[in-house]
Amino acid sequence: EDKVVQSPLSLVVHEGDTVTLNCSYEVTNFRSLLWYKQEKKAPTFLFMLTSSGIEKKSGRLSSILDKKELFSILNITATQTGDSAIYLCAVEPENDMRFGAGTRLTVKP
Amino acid sequence: NAGVTQTPKFQVLKTGQSMTLQCAQDMNHEYMSWYRQDPGMGLRLIHYSVGAGITDQGEVPNGYNVSRSTTEDFPLRLLSAAPSQTSVYFCASSYSFGWVYGYTFGSGTRLTVV
Repeated sequence: EDKVVQSPLSLVVHEGDTVTLNCSYEVTNFRSLLWYKQEKKAPTFLFMLTSSGIEKKSGRLSSILDKKELFSILNITATQTGDSAIYLCAVEPENDMRFGAGTRLTVKP
Repeated sequence: NAGVTQTPKFQVLKTGQSMTLQCAQDMNHEYMSWYRQDPGMGLRLIHYSVGAGITDQGEVPNGYNVSRSTTEDFPLRLLSAAPSQTSVYFCASSYSFGWVYGYTFGSGTRLTVV
């Protein structure tokens, strides 16, 4: 059965800290892994990863995929209060998308 | 360009009632899908469609029906609401499954069944 596991489930840090969010998966016919940020309502797209070892960066956020060990990490450096959100990891097998439960990140001033 | 529009934003139903959650997109996306989000479980796929006239079941389809008569609209019907269907529902669309920029989500419908 396909599954996506995120850790930790919840994380509280202070502004300026660096955080690493984890996503491990077991799916058949892996196609891609996506990271989303969900604040008040709908998730917004962050990254899509298809190849191992290639880091994707967007400002203070970066992510990398390891297809051999079946996991991905999302790094956020110099965190800000605006980074507080739920971060969702999703994996695309066939015509489907499987989400993890998410990591709730709280950044305190 | 409104993106993905979901209505209503909030709804309270009594057990046994039926209703339709509306989802419309104006981006000419072929792929549309419905998810429910429950605490600690992430998003789970209910039904999806890869084009007009084509629908298929996702992970948790029981108690829900869908149809796709046009490219733009993908309504989700609750046939006989149950308290277990209390959740936040998201509609999402994409040019195609696996589109490199992921999915565009609607703002969600918060449904409570009492």
